[in-house]
Amino acid sequence: SQTIHQWPATLVQPVGSPLSLECTVEGTSNPNLYWYRQAAGRGLQLLFYSVGIGQISSEVPQNLSASRPQDRQFILSSKKLLLSDSGFYLCAWQYLEVGTTEAFFGQGTRLTVV
Amino acid sequence: AQKITQTQPGMFVQEKEAVTLDCTYDTSDPSYGLFWYKQPSSGEMIFLIYQGSYDQQNATEGRYSLNFQKARKSANLVISASQLGDSAMYFCAMRESWMDSSYKLIFGSGTRLLVRP
Repeated sequence: SQTIHQWPATLVQPVGSPLSLECTVEGTSNPNLYWYRQAAGRGLQLLFYSVGIGQISSEVPQNLSASRPQDRQFILSSKKLLLSDSGFYLCAWQYLEVGTTEAFFGQGTRLTVV
Repeated sequence: AQKITQTQPGMFVQEKEAVTLDCTYDTSDPSYGLFWYKQPSSGEMIFLIYQGSYDQQNATEGRYSLNFQKARKSANLVISASQLGDSAMYFCAMRESWMDSSYKLIFGSGTRLLVRP
């Protein structure tokens, strides 16, 4: 069966420090991968998505970047965190086929920038 | 423009009663999918139910049903026989056109449901 791993679960980082959040998927190949951010009490905002290795699309201009060095690995990074980068970050994946397949989400990373 | 609108920031329901969470969407794409997710306080996103734009019947999954009114562009979630464990945030989401290989989901702002004992 497919599983998605996301770590760390919580993170407190000072302003100006770098960031690296990692997401890996098991049990599937060539998935679409996504990074979402959720501000406190708000909906999910799509940040990046990837349809293949090295292919990254950005949805929102921001202080963050994403990379997909391997088929089932998706990394969210920042060189210098801002206070506004605080939030709940969720990684998700989907199959590349027509159907009713939902997006599967990781457990999320709660990032607090201080 | 908002693609997914959830107008109820918070809702209360008495245990064992039914509740309807509203969702309206905006798209010009004839092919799309509508989803509902539940997010408990732990933060995980739990898939509840899916409705395709070409589906003739309203989707049902156990106590969850989707009241799909295509002409009105609404996809309301109905939870029957509410349980205390249903207290959570609920998100409506849309995925447009299978021709778009991104398959990205666009989410509404959510509705916080509180079930009273």
